[in-house]
Amino acid sequence: DIQMTQSPSSLSASVGDRVTITCRASQSISNYLNWYQQKSGKAPKLLIYAASSLQSGVPSRFSGSGSGTDFTLTISSLQPEDFATYYCQQSYFFGPGTKVDIK
Amino acid sequence: QVHLVQSGAEVKKPGASVKVSCQASGYTYTSYGISWVRQAPGRGPEWMGWISAFNGNTNYAHKLQGRVFMTTDTSTRTVYMELRSLRSDDTAVYYCARDSGNAVFDYWGQGSTVIVSS
Repeated sequence: DIQMTQSPSSLSASVGDRVTITCRASQSISNYLNWYQQKSGKAPKLLIYAASSLQSGVPSRFSGSGSGTDFTLTISSLQPEDFATYYCQQSYFFGPGTKVDIK
Repeated sequence: QVHLVQSGAEVKKPGASVKVSCQASGYTYTSYGISWVRQAPGRGPEWMGWISAFNGNTNYAHKLQGRVFMTTDTSTRTVYMELRSLRSDDTAVYYCARDSGNAVFDYWGQGSTVIVSS
């Protein structure tokens, strides 16, 4: 099975900050990498698919990059509604998540 | 507008079974598969399996083989997930999600809480 790791596991940031979250796969997965945002008590929400494609309706401050084994989710200017947990996913495997909270 | 509406919360005893439903609307039902994803308290999402709404083909996670069963009813646009021989570590929120292809889950149900407790 493919193992997905994320770093950091949590971070504190301020509104307006640039935030970067990293996801690493245990073997090459080409660009088959998706990112989800999950707020407390809610279902995950698709943000980015195929490593860098922005899902319809998702603000452009979210972007994704990478291929092979190393991937990045970037929030260019953190907004109050962005405080949440972020998960990467490859096929049927999810990463452990990165919790973004208020500094 | 795509909607996936799931059945309500359940409390079950160890060894029992639970069946959760997911009714789809707002798109051509048979054009997409549905995956089930669960999330135990304080844990990340865990993929359970996938079913084709077109022909009912299934693909289950190895660890749940023999305990999980997924079915589809085209007439009601509803997918069902049954989990048998429940254990306490099956306590979780269970989500259905539309698979737009290559395991991209673009729409999710609201979640169904299943509590397994004696």
